[in-house]
Amino acid sequence: GEDVEQSLFLSVREGDSSVINCTYTDSSSTYLYWYKQEPGAGLQLLTYIFSNMDMKQDQRLTVLLNKKDKHLSLRIADTQTGDSAIYFCADHINQAGTALIFGKGTTLSVSS
Amino acid sequence: DAGVTQSPTHLIKTRGQQVTLRCSPKSGHDTVSWYQQALGQGPQFIFQYYEEEERQRGNFPDRFSGHQFPNYSSELNVNALLLGDSALYLCASSIAQEAEKLFFGSGTQLSVL
Repeated sequence: GEDVEQSLFLSVREGDSSVINCTYTDSSSTYLYWYKQEPGAGLQLLTYIFSNMDMKQDQRLTVLLNKKDKHLSLRIADTQTGDSAIYFCADHINQAGTALIFGKGTTLSVSS
Repeated sequence: DAGVTQSPTHLIKTRGQQVTLRCSPKSGHDTVSWYQQALGQGPQFIFQYYEEEERQRGNFPDRFSGHQFPNYSSELNVNALLLGDSALYLCASSIAQEAEKLFFGSGTQLSVL
């Protein structure tokens, strides 16, 4: 079945760029998503990319999609301590609906 | 404009009991989805409601049931609670025509003792 995998931890220094990686298995995905979860909070939609795009930029965030390798990445430029959180990659469970399948999340730790 | 609101924020139950969690979607949203997030895991899809009907269901037993009301709010019911049901339960809402924009509430933390 569909699966989404992410590395579990990333540690960077304030001001550096962060790159969080994700791989997925469903080749029929239409949209792929990045969510952010801060301690004790729900999930916040950061950005999403349509499957016919290679790249999407939104302020400090850049999403790269390699459909051939089924690889998605999120780059955060000029990472700040406020960016410390868990980042989830998500894909649709199937083409029939809008339900999402999430990776286990990447914990980003930003040190000053 | 209130976002997605869930109640209660925390709940403690014992094994075998039943629980009802509530969700009010973001204003203007007509579709509600429920997810279970165990500690250290990503959210897992339970089911989705649209026009007061269950439209899609994940791999959860029949002990998990739901309802959507005419005002689009929703309830999640879990019967015969197990220790393994302890998790953060997240409600998410969207507009059917913009299903890619999913907004989550802060969740209900359920502890089963």
